[in-house]
Amino acid sequence: DAGVTQSPTHLIKTRGQQVTLRCSPKSGHDTVSWYQQALGQGPQFIFQYYEEEERQRGNFPDRFSGHQFPNYSSELNVNALLLGDSALYLCASSLGPASSISGNTFGSGTRLTVV
Amino acid sequence: AQTVTQSQPEMSVQEAETVTLSCTYDTSESDYYLFWYKQPPSRQMILVIRQEAYKQQNATENRFSVNFQKAAKSFSLKISDSQLGDAAMYFCAYSQYGGSQGNLIFGKGTKLSVKP
Repeated sequence: DAGVTQSPTHLIKTRGQQVTLRCSPKSGHDTVSWYQQALGQGPQFIFQYYEEEERQRGNFPDRFSGHQFPNYSSELNVNALLLGDSALYLCASSLGPASSISGNTFGSGTRLTVV
Repeated sequence: AQTVTQSQPEMSVQEAETVTLSCTYDTSESDYYLFWYKQPPSRQMILVIRQEAYKQQNATENRFSVNFQKAAKSFSLKISDSQLGDAAMYFCAYSQYGGSQGNLIFGKGTKLSVKP
């Protein structure tokens, strides 16, 4: 049973560049949420996608955008990278947008380093 | 805005002993969920235990149990018979109940070490 798959596992980018992170949800799940976890901190909610639309958004600038595809997989895009964007990016999938009720399954994350 | 506070950055326990991790939260809502997640070095967040605020009975999952004090807005995790595999970061999290408000609000975490 495939869980949540994220790619790549590690990534190094230069300030000002753009990056795309990918997430395949657990089989049977239709909702994807993205979190940013800075070093030594708890994860912070970026946004959630359900039915190919952004349903909720946390306190993140417009440089952070996303997409969900018909097969429920998702992408997180970050433009004009800043040093402060260096973090572990976690993807979580669930069945339905009320994910705290149905339960979240997390991936192992993508470690992004901006130099 | 809801907040979650974990006041213990690090904790240590001897193998087979019991340890309690603390968590407090702030919310004006009456219905919500509380969670404890474990994050080992593999980085994947693993759900340890979940508590619905409307339930007075404390949740239990094998060696893991919680002490939920709704009036005090306190939600501690007790790990009994600690094992080496319990060593990890532990995060307390809050989520508003119902609707589409499924996002989790996490604390900063507690690093648990288990000594053999």
